[in-house]
Amino acid sequence: DTEVTQTPKHLVMGMTNKKSLKCEQHMGHRAMYWYKQKAKKPPELMFVYSYEKLSINESVPSRFSPECPNSSLLNLHLHALQPEDSALYLCASSQELLPNTEAFFGQGTRLTVV
Amino acid sequence: KQEVTQIPAALSVPEGENLVLNCSFTDSAIYNLQWFRQDPGKGLTSLLLIQSSQREQTSGRLNASLDKSSGRSTLYIAASQPGDSATYLCVLSSGNTGKLIFGQGTTLQVKP
Repeated sequence: DTEVTQTPKHLVMGMTNKKSLKCEQHMGHRAMYWYKQKAKKPPELMFVYSYEKLSINESVPSRFSPECPNSSLLNLHLHALQPEDSALYLCASSQELLPNTEAFFGQGTRLTVV
Repeated sequence: KQEVTQIPAALSVPEGENLVLNCSFTDSAIYNLQWFRQDPGKGLTSLLLIQSSQREQTSGRLNASLDKSSGRSTLYIAASQPGDSATYLCVLSSGNTGKLIFGQGTTLQVKP
């Protein structure tokens, strides 16, 4: 199994809503990542978890709150988002913290903030 | 600062052509290089991973090469098919920060 599974595939939320994105992998990977991708741009790193601990926060606004409950699961909690936060949110994992390993990406969650 | 450039930004070819996508980077101190494919609105699918000590990798109709000294990688696609239409991303692991460095991508259209 070389899959990173993200749910939901699509999400529409209002600016006052609270929602969560979920990412799961069963490859035994110990590093997991959240990326944000706007249209026709490459992905931008948001957060990195290594062994369930937050390793990197790329100065992401606090309305995005990551959580890593266990080694297979990564959540991204969303609250009071803005329309400009609409994007494709990608989760990735790797055996260990990059760089010396291969990264696997999920299919993404298409988020629309209205 | 490591920078990754992909040329061309877009490419349109008739079915059956062999083609080459180019990637260049500014710092030869890389750990590995991955080529990904991304269909519109979808995630990234890993195509090939080349470790810094390797010169090339092959998978089916795809062949990727790496020349660290010149800061270049190429992705060769043989006998292109309409199903190859997608955006191809060149991605580097450089430095031990856990960050990937992405090129801007080459959007390929293969016409039947």
